[in-house]
Amino acid sequence: EDQVTQSPEALRLQEGESSSLNCSYTVSGLRGLFWYRQDPGKGPEFLFTLYSAGEEKEKERLKATLTKKESFLHITAPKPEDSATYLCAVQGSRNSGYALNFGKGTSLLVTP
Amino acid sequence: DSGVTQTPKHLITATGQRVTLRCSPRSGDLSVYWYQQSLDQGLQFLIQYYNGEERAKGNILERFSAQQFPDLHSELNLSSLELGDSALYFCASSVVPPDWTDELSGNTIYFGEGSWLTVV
Repeated sequence: EDQVTQSPEALRLQEGESSSLNCSYTVSGLRGLFWYRQDPGKGPEFLFTLYSAGEEKEKERLKATLTKKESFLHITAPKPEDSATYLCAVQGSRNSGYALNFGKGTSLLVTP
Repeated sequence: DSGVTQTPKHLITATGQRVTLRCSPRSGDLSVYWYQQSLDQGLQFLIQYYNGEERAKGNILERFSAQQFPDLHSELNLSSLELGDSALYFCASSVVPPDWTDELSGNTIYFGEGSWLTVV
C-alpha cells in the first residue's frame, strides 16, 4: 500500500530563516510526486511535479528535490505570505488506481 | 484561480438527507477526481473519471456515487448523510488520463476551491 509521511507536522520560522520540509514515501511504481500549497479553507494549489530521483524544480523561494525514498521542499528566506500547509502526494501505479495519495501535510508559519 | 469550479461552496443539511455537489473541470481537461478532506483524515481519494468513464475508486462509501457527463462536468451524490460526512469535498482535474504520465506537458492535477458540507 502506498504511504506518504510528512515531517514535521508543524514548523514555525522567522522571516528569512530558511528550512526544509520532508516527504517520505513508499509506492509501487512512482509515476510522480506532487507538492501542493493549501491555505485554510481553500483548495490545494499546485506547486511541482517530480518524476525521477535527482530531479529538482524551483519556483520563487521554493525548491523541490526527489530521491528514491523521499522528497524535500526547501524554503529559502521565507516571507509571512509563505505561511500555509504544504502537502506532498504520490501518484501510484495501476494497483492504486493512479490516484494521488496525500500526506497529512506540514503546517508552516512564518513570522515577521 | 485554478479554473476548476465547484458548487455549492457551502452546504448545511440534516442527517439522512441527500446532496449533490457539482464540478466543472478546467477547459480541455478530461479527467476528474473527487477527494474528501476532514480534519483527522487529511485528503482522501474517492473516485476518478476520464472522459465520462469511471477509472478508479478509492475509499468511497456505498452511500456516495458520482458520474461524469458528456459535457465533462461531474457530480458527486451523497445520500443518507451522517454527521461524520461533514468535510470539505474537492474536485480536481487534469488533461491527461490518470494512467498516463506525461513529463513533457506535465502531469498537473488542479484542484477547485471545494464544497464545505456540514451535516447537522
